[in-house]
Amino acid sequence: AQTVTQSQPEMSVQEAETVTLSCTYDTSESNYYLFWYKQPPSRQMILVIRQEAYKQQNATENRFSVNFQKAAKSFSLKISDSQLGDTAMYFCAFMIGSNYQLIWGAGTKLIIKP
Amino acid sequence: DSGVTQTPKHLITATGQRVTLRCSPRSGDLSVYWYQQSLDQGLQFLIQYYNGEERAKGNILERFSAQQFPDLHSELNLSSLELGDSALYFCASSGGDWPQPQHFGDGTRLSIL
Repeated sequence: AQTVTQSQPEMSVQEAETVTLSCTYDTSESNYYLFWYKQPPSRQMILVIRQEAYKQQNATENRFSVNFQKAAKSFSLKISDSQLGDTAMYFCAFMIGSNYQLIWGAGTKLIIKP
Repeated sequence: DSGVTQTPKHLITATGQRVTLRCSPRSGDLSVYWYQQSLDQGLQFLIQYYNGEERAKGNILERFSAQQFPDLHSELNLSSLELGDSALYFCASSGGDWPQPQHFGDGTRLSIL
């Protein structure tokens, strides 16, 4: 069975600090995609970043970057220069090629303090 | 704005009732996905449609059904509602098929009294 584990239920950092959210997954597939989604208090679900499993280079999107360790099945999200607007639930998810479901982690609640 | 439109935003009803949630995907997107998010939990995949046909099914109850119409909008029908069905229901759409990222609507919050 495909699973996603986010081991940090909640994290809190000061504004402008760097924070890393952990995510591990389990799959026997070789072709898959990984995603981080953000859900602010407004409850919208917003795509933050994506990573193709076949790519060795880690994805980056402005202040957001990932550390993808395929052998360890690890996909952490690093947020640099954190801002108050980064306060949200962050969900890690992955999708395999044999079906089209996004398998979700339980989420990490990130609080950015002023 | 993701371009995915869900209506209504809020729905309050009683146990045993039936409701229909509607989703209009982003222009040009052929795939529609439905998810359920219970309070303070992650998302559970319910079902996916691609260009009018059911493509994948997740943990969808038999009391729930969905369809995608020729204009690509989709409806999720929930019947014989129970208190435990109270949740946020998301619709997402993607550009075609794998491996496009999914873009989410703002959700419909369903409250069962």
